[in-house]
Amino acid sequence: GPKVLQIPSHQIIDMGQMVTLNCDPVSNHLYFYWYKQILGQQMEFLVNFYNGKVMEKSKLFKDQFSVERPDGSYFTLKIQPTALEDSAVYFCASSLAGSQNTLYFGAGTRLSVL
Amino acid sequence: GEKVEQHESTLSVREGDSAVINCTYTDTASSYFPWYKQEAGKSLHFVIDIRSNVDRKQSQRLIVLLDKKAKRFSLHITATQPEDSAIYFCAASTGYQNFYFGKGTSLTVIP
Repeated sequence: GPKVLQIPSHQIIDMGQMVTLNCDPVSNHLYFYWYKQILGQQMEFLVNFYNGKVMEKSKLFKDQFSVERPDGSYFTLKIQPTALEDSAVYFCASSLAGSQNTLYFGAGTRLSVL
Repeated sequence: GEKVEQHESTLSVREGDSAVINCTYTDTASSYFPWYKQEAGKSLHFVIDIRSNVDRKQSQRLIVLLDKKAKRFSLHITATQPEDSAIYFCAASTGYQNFYFGKGTSLTVIP
């Protein structure tokens, strides 16, 4: 089936550093999402993105977070600076036509902030 | 905003029995309800969905029921097998941009 690729699978960084998480969504998909999962439990919505713009973001999407997809390349989540509570698994997802369509998830990036 | 409650955090059943996972939602505008499965250490993948124009949908051993009046939907896994063991997430969407997920139910199928 359609695949969403996330790079890297695991990232370890020191608190205060910048990190960029990369996502290669399904090629013809138009909507992109980031979710945060802590301890294998709750999937917390962070942000969604369409047509070059953030459409909706949650309270978890702090000012230190930003997303972009320059020229149809990777859809990225940047955290600058990182904090200890940012440690989690971040899942990227994409869908063809928004939230009435199936979300396809990547394998996740495990971020460890020390 | 929408809140999705997933009532069972853990569930154990014997192989061959049925498993039922229940979710409720708050936003009457929600119209699309997918279910996702997450196996240990892996990502989520889609298993089945239901839209608000029907109240029942079946795909092989999976049945989803939707009660719009009660704002409740459920996943029924019949004739469970050990490979059904995973965390199951329900979600709801109003049809705009976002999906709201429940907290997940960890299902264990005992051989």
